Formats: sequence, structure tokens, C-alpha cells
Amino acid sequence: QVQLQQSGPGLVEPSQTLTLTCDISGDSVSNNTAGWSWIRQSPSRGLEWLGRTYYRSRWYNDYPASVKGRIIINPDTSKNQLSLQLSSVSPEDTAIYYCARLVGMSASMLAWFDPWGQGTLVTVSS
Amino acid sequence: QSALTQPASVSGSPGQSITISCIGASSDVGAYNFVSWYQHYPGKAPKLMIYDVRNRPPGVSNRFSGSKSGNTASLTISGLQAEDEADYYCSSYRTGGLWLFGGGTKLTVL
Repeated sequence: QVQLQQSGPGLVEPSQTLTLTCDISGDSVSNNTAGWSWIRQSPSRGLEWLGRTYYRSRWYNDYPASVKGRIIINPDTSKNQLSLQLSSVSPEDTAIYYCARLVGMSASMLAWFDPWGQGTLVTVSS
Repeated sequence: QSALTQPASVSGSPGQSITISCIGASSDVGAYNFVSWYQHYPGKAPKLMIYDVRNRPPGVSNRFSGSKSGNTASLTISGLQAEDEADYYCSSYRTGGLWLFGGGTKLTVL
């Protein structure tokens, strides 16, 4: 059974960098048939996909335009975990952040998120 | 404003059936059979209920079913139970390597 356990600070000051980690058990971050994503939920934006990392002989990353340039999703194979760094945060980045495994019927077409981490409420405020 | 459109709320009595719609576009819901549905109790991790439009993961009740027509996907819950009261979200892959979500639907069991 795959389980994802998130950790990280709940309060970040404006203009600083938000950093969260997601410990993976029951699977490997290097699984070459899956991917690993971060997703956030806020009242103003609803659920928003923030990006993914995945391994297919080498590491790949994809980010949506809404956060590209501010976000880094990194795998740590030694700790079997996933991290999120979101820089230059503002109050608009206040949200519940989730990590999730991205899977599908084939390694080349990932389609659904399962499982999800427990969520981390991050508030951006001074 | 979410990329996929869901009704904000639906309600039904125990034993009844309800359907939640998820309206997308020809570049996402209409283009791929990569629609999934999630059940979310506030404070808990979202749970996958349906993947690839109509498939149920092991352990999910057969009271939950999914379908799609054109740019609209639907989640139907039959034989409503009190425990079904939760928020439900749809998701779809969009051309260009992007995953979208709906705004969520709050299901109330009367």
C-alpha cells in the first residue's frame, strides 16, 4: 500500500520560498511507470495542479504556466521523497498543498492521482 | 475560476441517485478518456473513486459510476448513503501536458 506523508512549515513570509517534502512508502520515487505531483487547494483557485516529476531513464519535470519560473519539484532518491519549492510567495499562494502519485494505464500516458498525501496548510503572511 | 465546471452543490435523500456533471472542452474532457473523480472529506486526503471515465479502483463501491458524452463527464452515485456526503472533484488531462480540476461539488445527503 502506497502512503505519502507530507511535512513542512505552515507559515511562510511574503517573498520567501515555500518548501515542503513528501515521504513515499510502498513505492519508489524512481518508479518508471508513474510520476509524482504537487497539487494545491484554495478558496479562490480551487484545486490547481502545480507540476510533476518522473523518471524514464532520466528525470523529467513539467510545470503549468501559472507557476513556471517560481517552482521546482525535486526527487530525492536517497530518501525516497519528493520536494516542492515555490519562490517569491505572496498571500495568493496560501493554500492546502498535496503531494500525489500520478499513474495511468501506461507509463507514457499518466492520467489519475492516487494516492494523495494528507495535505499541508501553508499560510503566506508576515 | 476552475478550468472544469461543476455544480457547486447537489443533494439527495438516502437511497436516491444523484449525478454530478463536469463540463470541459474539446482539448481535455472531449479529447481524452482521462477523466477521474475524487471524494474529499475536509481535512482528509482526497480519494480516487473513478479513473479513465468509468473505471472503479478496488474497494470503491459499485454504487459509484462514471460516464462521458462529448465535453461533459458525469459521476453518478446510486443508493445514496449518509457516508457519501462529501466534496467531489473531477479531473482531466488537457492537451499540452496539463492536468485540470473542477471547482468541486458539495454533496448533501438529506
